[in-house]
This record gives sequence, C-alpha cells and structure tokens, in this order.
Amino acid sequence: QVQLEESGPGLVKPSETLSLTCIVSGGSISSDYWSWIRQPPGKALEWIGYISDSGNTNYNPSLKSRVTISVDTSKNQVSLKLSSVTAADTAVYYCASLLRGLIDYYGMDVWGQGTTVTVSS
Amino acid sequence: DIQLTQSPSFLSASVGDRVTITCRASQGISSYLAWYQQRPGKAPKLLIYAASTLQSGVPSRFSGSGSGTEFTLTISSLQPEDFATYYCQQLNSYPFTFGPGTKVDIK
Repeated sequence: QVQLEESGPGLVKPSETLSLTCIVSGGSISSDYWSWIRQPPGKALEWIGYISDSGNTNYNPSLKSRVTISVDTSKNQVSLKLSSVTAADTAVYYCASLLRGLIDYYGMDVWGQGTTVTVSS
Repeated sequence: DIQLTQSPSFLSASVGDRVTITCRASQGISSYLAWYQQRPGKAPKLLIYAASTLQSGVPSRFSGSGSGTEFTLTISSLQPEDFATYYCQQLNSYPFTFGPGTKVDIK
C-alpha cells in the first residue's frame, strides 16, 4: 500500500518561495499521478495541481504563475514550489495520488498526513 | 471554473439517523464526482468516486448517486465515527474544484 509523507519548513516569509516534498513509499512513483491540495485554516480544500507519470503537469489557473510540481524518481519524492507567497498561502498542504482510468480521473485515493505552512514575517 | 455547492452546510444528527448531503455543479460533469470525509485534524479520505462507486474498504452504509449537475451522498445509519466534514469534488474539467463542505455534528 502506497504511503505519502509531506515535509518542509513550517514558516515561510512573505515574498519568498514555499518548498515542500512528499516522500512516496510502498509503490512506484513513476507509474502514478501525484497531486497537491491545500486547505487554509477553517476553510475548504483547494486543488493545486498534479504531475503525471510522464512528467506532464496541470495546475490550477489561480496559482499557475507561481506553482511548480516536479518528481525526483531517484529520491522517490514529489515536490511543490510556490513562489511569491503571501499570508493567503497559509494552509495545510497535502500530497495525494490521483485515482484514474485510461483517460478519466476519479479522485484522490491516498493522502499524506499534511504539513502546515504559515506565511509570516 | 465549475462551481460546486453543497447543502446543507451544517447538519446535526443522531447515531442511527439516515443522512443525505447534496452537491450541485454549476454545469454538467457527467459522473465525475468524488466524495471525501475529513475528520478534525486529519487528511481527507476518499469515500465514493465516479458518483456512485464505493472506494475499497469504505463501509456499505455510505452510498452515492446522481449525474449531470446534482449528486447525493447518503449515510444509511450514522455511526459515531461518521461525525466529520464531507466534501464533494468534480474531476470533469480543470481545475478540479471542491465543494465548500458539509459538517455533520452530533445532535
């Protein structure tokens, strides 16, 4: 069974770049699609984007100019970078695997425990 | 973007109650809808995908239905561990949007 664990700095200064990693264990990082989702305190979930098994990415247009998702197969990890952060980027950040068919997407079936990021000076 | 609305926003119920939550999409999404359960301080858990397919390991008291723009999640007999917030998500088109959530609390 695939397990995911996010990590990264809990505090990031405004205007800096938020960098998180998600370690994938118990499965092949090369054969799945990996998503990032975030949840501001007391608010709903927001889909950030995903990276496919071939390295293609798809981002939420609301974040597209600031976000990069990548995979390092040698380290079995998925990374998220979000630049020029503000207080509005304060949230719990989750990585998750994307359940899919040949051309369809069905949901996020395995989630990490999440990592809290606060943007503050 | 496709907007999802959920009703009710908050629901107070007792153990054993039958509970129904509705999710409406701003445009048709076929059956590309998922339901998640999120307990406080925990990651979301996938319950239902493709509108009505029960995720492996999820109790059969959970069921989903609908297509197009209107969907429902039903819990046939509410259990103590079901008190949580429930989110719907559409995966028909980008960006994959979530609903605002329905909190199910103990009466």
